[in-house]
Amino acid sequence: GAVVSQHPSWVICKSGTSVKIECRSLDFQATTMFWYRQFPKQSLMLMATSNEGSKATYEQGVEKDKFLINHASLTLSTLTVTSAHPEDSSFYICSAFGSEYEQYFGPGTRLTVT
Amino acid sequence: ILNVEQSPQSLHVQEGDSTNFTCSFPSSNFYALHWYRWETAKSPEALFVMTLNGDEKKKGRISATLNTKEGYSYLYIKGSQPEDSATYLCASEDAGKSTFGDGTTLTVKP
Repeated sequence: GAVVSQHPSWVICKSGTSVKIECRSLDFQATTMFWYRQFPKQSLMLMATSNEGSKATYEQGVEKDKFLINHASLTLSTLTVTSAHPEDSSFYICSAFGSEYEQYFGPGTRLTVT
Repeated sequence: ILNVEQSPQSLHVQEGDSTNFTCSFPSSNFYALHWYRWETAKSPEALFVMTLNGDEKKKGRISATLNTKEGYSYLYIKGSQPEDSATYLCASEDAGKSTFGDGTTLTVKP
């Protein structure tokens, strides 16, 4: 089946620094990718929809200047957490649709901001 | 129902037991209902996607039903095995976005 990879799988950074997370579709092209965040014991929450060649669409309450999304090719979307703070510590996961209904998820990235 | 709700939150069963969990979702603007199986440290794995009222899907010992009019889906596992231990997530898809439930964490004891 289709595979989506994420890099890094975990990262620890200092408060005030920026962190980039990559999401790649390995064997299919994805014009749209989705970024989710999950806090402990809570649901996956959609943060934004990443569109190849155009601006991302952010969900209400998600700061677009803080969570920069770039979808430069049909197989790569990146999420940059700028000026990270401890409250940004979370599990970030991306997904893409390999076909009309099949959604494939990456393995996720655990971000810890100290 | 405004959110996607799953119950129970967690479930502990013995090997061989059959079990089922519920996913409730908004019935308006419904497009598709997804079930995922998520093992720790792995990507969520798609189990089923259902779109029509009355849909029933089956994959081995796991099956699911869908009622779009009343906004619920059931996931059944027959003869649970330890390898079935995982968190089972459902997601309601509407207008290209998926809203996830909190999941049901299943633990199957040998």
